[in-house]
Amino acid sequence: GAVVSQHPSRVICKSGTSVKIECRSLDFQATTMFWYRQFPKQSLMLMATSNEGSKATYEQGVEKDKFLINHASLTLSTLTVTSAHPEDSSFYICSARTGEGLAESSYNEQFFGPGTRLTVL
Amino acid sequence: RKEVEQDPGPFNVPEGATVAFNCTYSNSASQSFFWYRQDCRKEPKLLMSVYSSGNEDGRFTAQLNRASQYISLLIRDSKLSDSATYLCVVERGGGADGLTFGKGTHLIIQP
Repeated sequence: GAVVSQHPSRVICKSGTSVKIECRSLDFQATTMFWYRQFPKQSLMLMATSNEGSKATYEQGVEKDKFLINHASLTLSTLTVTSAHPEDSSFYICSARTGEGLAESSYNEQFFGPGTRLTVL
Repeated sequence: RKEVEQDPGPFNVPEGATVAFNCTYSNSASQSFFWYRQDCRKEPKLLMSVYSSGNEDGRFTAQLNRASQYISLLIRDSKLSDSATYLCVVERGGGADGLTFGKGTHLIIQP
């Protein structure tokens, strides 16, 4: 199946610093990548949708100036948490979606990366 | 009403038993539905898509009732390795991209 990697898997940083998380589709081209966040015992919440070569679409309540998303190629999207604070501590997960023209069973499937656990001190 | 609602459990079930999970969703524009499995502190993994006609994959059967906006998952002959959190997931539809996740139902299979 399709493989998505994320780096780093875990990061601990001081309050006020910026953290960049990379999401890569390893064996397929992803025109669309998604960034989710999951707080303990909560559901995954979509933060933003990223399309290659265009600006990301942010969900309501997600600050675009704080969570910078760059989808520079069909295999790489980055999320930068700027001026991180303790309340940004969370599990950040990206997913990548394969392209159009596939069968119903696979068109909408999103492949998830292993996640990045961010702890801001 | 929450967008995707599930009983959080936990469901404690003896090995070999049959267990069923239910889920309701509020967005009638949604067209695609899934069950994902998430192990502790890991990313979710697709278990199966859910089609209008219902579908079966080995010990797993998923059903969709669009009129009631209700999705179910049945696990037969449960194994210890089935212990996980099962996430009901709905594609947002109506022109909005992305998935909406339920909080998940925690399943514990006991030997």
